Amino acid sequence: SAVISQKPSRDICQRGTSLTIQCQVDSQVTMMFWYRQQPGQSLTLIATANQGSEATYESGFVIDKFPISRPNLTFSTLTVSNMSPEDSSIYLCSVGADRTVKPYYGYTFGSGTRLTVV
Amino acid sequence: AQSVTQLDSQVPVFEEAPVELRCNYSSSVSVYLFWYVQYPNQGLQLLLKYLSGSTLVKGINGFEAEFNKSQTSFYFRKPSVHISDTAEYFCAVSETGGGNKLTFGTGTQLKVEL
Repeated sequence: SAVISQKPSRDICQRGTSLTIQCQVDSQVTMMFWYRQQPGQSLTLIATANQGSEATYESGFVIDKFPISRPNLTFSTLTVSNMSPEDSSIYLCSVGADRTVKPYYGYTFGSGTRLTVV
Repeated sequence: AQSVTQLDSQVPVFEEAPVELRCNYSSSVSVYLFWYVQYPNQGLQLLLKYLSGSTLVKGINGFEAEFNKSQTSFYFRKPSVHISDTAEYFCAVSETGGGNKLTFGTGTQLKVEL
């Protein structure tokens, strides 16, 4: 399965500022996903990022708040813009295996970015 | 659209006792099923997946899971837990066709006590 390096691992930011989270994969992957995990809660999909096209956002998430870049098949960034304390969460990137590749391993996750907005 | 339910938010269990966690899902299409574990201050680690075939699947560290299609449930079991199994366990589903998104349950906090 793919190995994901996610940076930064944690950060404390001032409200009103922006933070860009990076996700580097050790192999080429078609689909990358960004999730948010609010304190004590489950994971919620923010958007799906495919190389060469605009990211697809889930209901409740907008590009102006969470712009995503996907410049190539091994890298993606998520920016959390104009942050408020409500944005304090863990943000995780994930890649989905190509379903034609056997054995299908499903999804791999980065170790997450713990964001605290003060 | 899919939905995933984990009815037990917290499960306390004594060390060496068996544990079973249940996950119910709702989907209009066939799905793949996954169990992930999240240890404190860490990311998610895949424990088990059901893709097709035998409804009983074996994972790492003695974990196993059973898919019950008629109940649309995915049971997660371990015959004897260890203190180190204390973690948050998430069930997730993904359509077997296109889409490729994972939908997560709300998680079950397993606390193993001496």
